[in-house]
Amino acid sequence: DQQVKQNSPSLSVQEGRISILNCDYTNSMFDYFLWYKKYPAEGPTFLISISSIKDKNEDGRFTVFLNKSAKHLSLHIVPSQPGDSAVYFCAASAAGAGSYQLTFGKGTKLSVIP
Amino acid sequence: EAGVAQSPRYKIIEKRQSVAFWCNPISGHATLYWYQQILGQGPKLLIQFQNNGVVDDSQLPKDRFSAERLKGVDSTLKIQPAKLEDSAVYLCASMGTNYNEQFFGPGTRLTVL
Repeated sequence: DQQVKQNSPSLSVQEGRISILNCDYTNSMFDYFLWYKKYPAEGPTFLISISSIKDKNEDGRFTVFLNKSAKHLSLHIVPSQPGDSAVYFCAASAAGAGSYQLTFGKGTKLSVIP
Repeated sequence: EAGVAQSPRYKIIEKRQSVAFWCNPISGHATLYWYQQILGQGPKLLIQFQNNGVVDDSQLPKDRFSAERLKGVDSTLKIQPAKLEDSAVYLCASMGTNYNEQFFGPGTRLTVL
């Protein structure tokens, strides 16, 4: 059973526009959420995170929104740049329960078109 | 700060052969993870170490997979014998005192023929 779901395998966006990547989770124990970015032949790199006590976290062009009641989070990239083209993974952990294990979604491949 | 190192980067073997992967985490990171990433999927945790002790190996197929971290630094993951379905990227990650943020190595891409 998939506890973290990214239902869009791919997304194409024009350069300069907003990219919105979505993620849903089912496990109510999850209280910390992360987004990782992965280029081909490289390992995932940490992008941004959010704790369940917040509903928004911003870092430059990247903003993550968390809707706990809907068990949904989204990553907004504004403005999108060609270098943002990569696979984005949503991940979750139950840090409050002392577990720092990450459960990942299947990823969304973002293509930013110049 | 040097990142997580893994070797080899690529490995091709035939089924029923054995293979080993090596990981050197970021200096000072006590927690080390091995993940398996099958094509089109997200990384799936195989085993978690804290220093040289196993925290969780519940998802490690122990009939063929083994892992160790003898001195609490480097780690090796072994598959013996390999099956076709073991073809995947094997990722190593480490975590320091900033809990929740894991740093990943580049991975080892294994192809089993």
